Amino acid sequence: KNEVEQSPQNLTAQEGEFITINCSYSVGISALHWLQQHPGGGIVSLFMLSSGKKKHGRLIATINIQEKHSSLHITASHPRDSAVYICAVIGVWGAQKLVFGQGTRLTINP
Amino acid sequence: EPEVTQTPSHQVTQMGQEVILRCVPISNHLYFYWYRQILGQKVEFLVSFYNNEISEKSEIFDDQFSVERPDGSNFTLKIRSTKLEDSAMYFCASSGMAGAYEQYFGPGTRLTVT
Repeated sequence: KNEVEQSPQNLTAQEGEFITINCSYSVGISALHWLQQHPGGGIVSLFMLSSGKKKHGRLIATINIQEKHSSLHITASHPRDSAVYICAVIGVWGAQKLVFGQGTRLTINP
Repeated sequence: EPEVTQTPSHQVTQMGQEVILRCVPISNHLYFYWYRQILGQKVEFLVSFYNNEISEKSEIFDDQFSVERPDGSNFTLKIRSTKLEDSAMYFCASSGMAGAYEQYFGPGTRLTVT
C-alpha cells in the first residue's frame, strides 16, 4: 500500500518568500502529481512528473525517484498563491488511481 | 480549453435517499474516475471506469455505489441509500490514458446528507 506524506502540514510566509513543500511516498510509482485546491474546493493540476524537474512560471517541481521524494517550490510568493497544495502519486504497471497526500495549507501574507 | 464539468455543484439530501451525481468528462478521454473528500480529510479514490466497465474500485465503493456512462458524454455516480457519512465533496476526473497521464478534475459536487 502506498503512503504519501507531505510536510509541512501548514505553512505561513510573507509575500516574496521562497516556498518549499515536500512529499515522500513509500512504494514505486509511475508518476507524481502536484495539485492545487482553493477554498472553494476545486482541484487544479499543476504538474505531473516522472523524473527530473518541471517549471511553470514561478512554480518548480522536482522529483527524486531513488529517494521517493518530490518538492514543490514557489519563487517570489504572492498572496494569490494561498491554497492547499496536494501531492498525489500513481502506481506502476498501468495503475489508474491516484493516492493523495493530506495536503499542505499555504498562507502568504502581504 | 476543454474541461470536466459536474452537476449539481451542491446537493442536499435526506438520509436514505438516492442521489445521482453527474459529470461530463473531456470528450476524447477514455478513463474516468470518481474521488471523494470528506471535510478536513485527504482526497480518496472511489472508482475508475474504462471501456464501459469498472476497472478498479476501492473498499469504500460498496454495493451502495454504482457508476454508469449512460450516453457518449455523461458519467454518473449513484448512491442508492445515502448515509450521513457520505457527506463529502465528490470529484470526477478523466484522462486520455491510464498510468502516467494527467488526470483532469471537475469542480466537484458538495453532497450534504441530513
